[in-house]
Amino acid sequence: EDQVTQSPEALRLQEGESSSLNCSYTVSGLRGLFWYRQDPGKGPEFLFTLYSAGEEKEKERLKATLTKKESFLHITAPKPEDSATYLCAVRDPRSNDYKLSFGAGTTVTVRA
Amino acid sequence: GAVVSQHPSWVICKSGTSVKIECRSLDFQATTMFWYRQFPKQSLMLMATSNEGSKATYEQGVEKDKFLINHASLTLSTLTVTSAHPEDSSFYICSARNEDSVFYGYTFGSGTRLTVV
Repeated sequence: EDQVTQSPEALRLQEGESSSLNCSYTVSGLRGLFWYRQDPGKGPEFLFTLYSAGEEKEKERLKATLTKKESFLHITAPKPEDSATYLCAVRDPRSNDYKLSFGAGTTVTVRA
Repeated sequence: GAVVSQHPSWVICKSGTSVKIECRSLDFQATTMFWYRQFPKQSLMLMATSNEGSKATYEQGVEKDKFLINHASLTLSTLTVTSAHPEDSSFYICSARNEDSVFYGYTFGSGTRLTVV
């Protein structure tokens, strides 16, 4: 059973066109939801960690929010350099080894 | 910030040979490191959890005799792909858990592209 589901799979935006990515999770007793950015051929780059419903974090044009069932990554006035795959992950509460379960990612393409 | 160095970034090897990939935490100690495999346009698939000084814990379906993991120090974990075959060609990524940081809890290496010919 998938613990983390991301949508949409792909998102094509015009420069300046704001949008949101969704990450829904089914784990109970969340111990952290993580957002990463991954460029082609690179490892994931940390963006945000959220722990409790209502929490929000911001970094430049990105803002992450968390509810009891999902998280959103809002991209405001995106630029071409925001093009990447955005990955969402939750820490598996059943694991004592602090494993992360990843969603399939949303590939964002921003056209100039 | 926390940095994880992964080497090599790419490697080409002949079928039947072994390849070692290193993952180092440069400015923090990592009791736990993780090894992932990623196929094109797919997400990260956890292969194993590496704990310093003990045996690695492998995910279901991952052959422990083929993917040897050693975590001999608090800053170094290695993944050795033994008797590699073309189907082992993939992008391998490590991550390290920084116990001293709540926010940067998991830092990833830059990945290793393995091509077996």
